[in-house]
Amino acid sequence: DAGVTQSPTHLIKTRGQQVTLRCSPKSGHDTVSWYQQALGQGPQFIFQYYEEEERQRGNFPDRFSGHQFPNYSSELNVNALLLGDSALYLCASSPRRGRDTQYFGPGTRLTVL
Amino acid sequence: KQEVTQIPAALSVPEGENLVLNCSFTDSAIYNLQWFRQDPGKGLTSLLLIQSSQREQTSGRLNASLDKSSGRSTLYIAASQPGDSATYLCAAVNTGGFKTIFGAGTRLFVKA
Repeated sequence: DAGVTQSPTHLIKTRGQQVTLRCSPKSGHDTVSWYQQALGQGPQFIFQYYEEEERQRGNFPDRFSGHQFPNYSSELNVNALLLGDSALYLCASSPRRGRDTQYFGPGTRLTVL
Repeated sequence: KQEVTQIPAALSVPEGENLVLNCSFTDSAIYNLQWFRQDPGKGLTSLLLIQSSQREQTSGRLNASLDKSSGRSTLYIAASQPGDSATYLCAAVNTGGFKTIFGAGTRLFVKA
C-alpha cells in the first residue's frame, strides 16, 4: 500500500497564475480532505470531498476549488494566485467521511513569487 | 465556531523526562480528537485518536486523554528521547460534517 501520495512535491508560480495539485488516497479510503499550512502554523481546513462532491468547506475564497474522481483521487485548484497562497498544501484521506483516523500525504510546497 | 489552542507553543526538555502537552477546544460537540506528529517540512503522522465516548488512548510511551466537559485533551510522553523531537498537533473533528480544526502545535525539542 503506497499510502497517500501527492504531486508535485514543489511548485513555483507567479502572482495571477493558476495551479492544480493532485492527491491519491490510501487504498480503501473514500474521503479526501485538503489543508493549507503556512509556516509555523497548524493546517487550515480547505474542504472535504466524498462521493465526488464537496461536503464541507473551511473559510477559503472561491478561488480555491476541487474535484474528486470516481477512483477517489482528488485535485485542488487555486486561481489568481496571491503571494499569501504560498504554503504547504496537505491532502488527507480517510474512510467513512472522516470518522476515522486521517492519513496525510507528504504535501506540496507552493511558492508564489 | 471551533477553536483549538495548544500550550506551550515550544518546549525543550532533557532526554528521559516525562512531559505533558496540552490542547483545549471551545466546542464540546466533537466526534473525535486526534494527535499528530509533524517533522520539519513533512506531512503529518497520526499518533492517537480518541473517540468522543472515550477518556483515553495509549500507544507505547504515548497516552492521550480527553475531557469533553472541560474542552481539554493532553498528550503524555513518557521517557522522552531525542527522536521524539518534532511538532505535535491536536485536531478536533466536529460532529455533523466532520470538519477538522487543528491547533497551532507544540514544537518539542528533546536534548540528548
